[in-house]
Amino acid sequence: GENVEQHPSTLSVQEGDSAVIKCTYSDSASNYFPWYKQELGKRPQLIIDIRSNVGEKKDQRIAVTLNKTAKHFSLHITETQPEDSAVYFCAATDTGGFKTIFGAGTRLFVKA
Amino acid sequence: DAGVIQSPRHEVTEMGQEVTLRCKPISGHNSLFWYRQTMMRGLELLIYFNNNVPIDDSGMPEDRFSAKMPNASFSTLKIQPSEPRDSAVYFCASSLIQGTGTQYFGPGTRLTVL
Repeated sequence: GENVEQHPSTLSVQEGDSAVIKCTYSDSASNYFPWYKQELGKRPQLIIDIRSNVGEKKDQRIAVTLNKTAKHFSLHITETQPEDSAVYFCAATDTGGFKTIFGAGTRLFVKA
Repeated sequence: DAGVIQSPRHEVTEMGQEVTLRCKPISGHNSLFWYRQTMMRGLELLIYFNNNVPIDDSGMPEDRFSAKMPNASFSTLKIQPSEPRDSAVYFCASSLIQGTGTQYFGPGTRLTVL
């Protein structure tokens, strides 16, 4: 079945450094890739997304890249801040737009 | 504009009892998803509906779990009988398929089965 693998499971960085989270997906028909941030005790919230017809998208300190050939996509956070500490989930959505498969999550710690 | 609404926010029950979780999607959204989140399994999709019709319930763990969506503004997830291993946070999410397909999550229901 469809699968999304996410690495690393835990990431610790110093404030101001960059953080990179990588995901791979198995369903070549996937065409929409959202990223969610979940703070402790709260709901997952969309922070950025990318569609298969785009290779890169940036929003202030956050960027996402997509390599459809390799079925890889990555989240890049620059100039990390303590408030970036959270669990980040990648996801891949099928062509019908119905079913979203989530990665296992990456727990990011930003040390002040 | 109200987001996805879930109730109750917390539920503590004893093993064997029936539990009903409720969800009101964002007005105008036509897809609704139920997820379960635990430390061990992460975020699992249980079932999703499109235009009130269940499309895929392959994630529902057992026959003890059932979900309904009688109209576009309400859905329930029922567990009967409940077991301690059902303890988790249950999220409901909704999306507009004709749009980006982005899912918006509710605040979740934290279920504890003793």
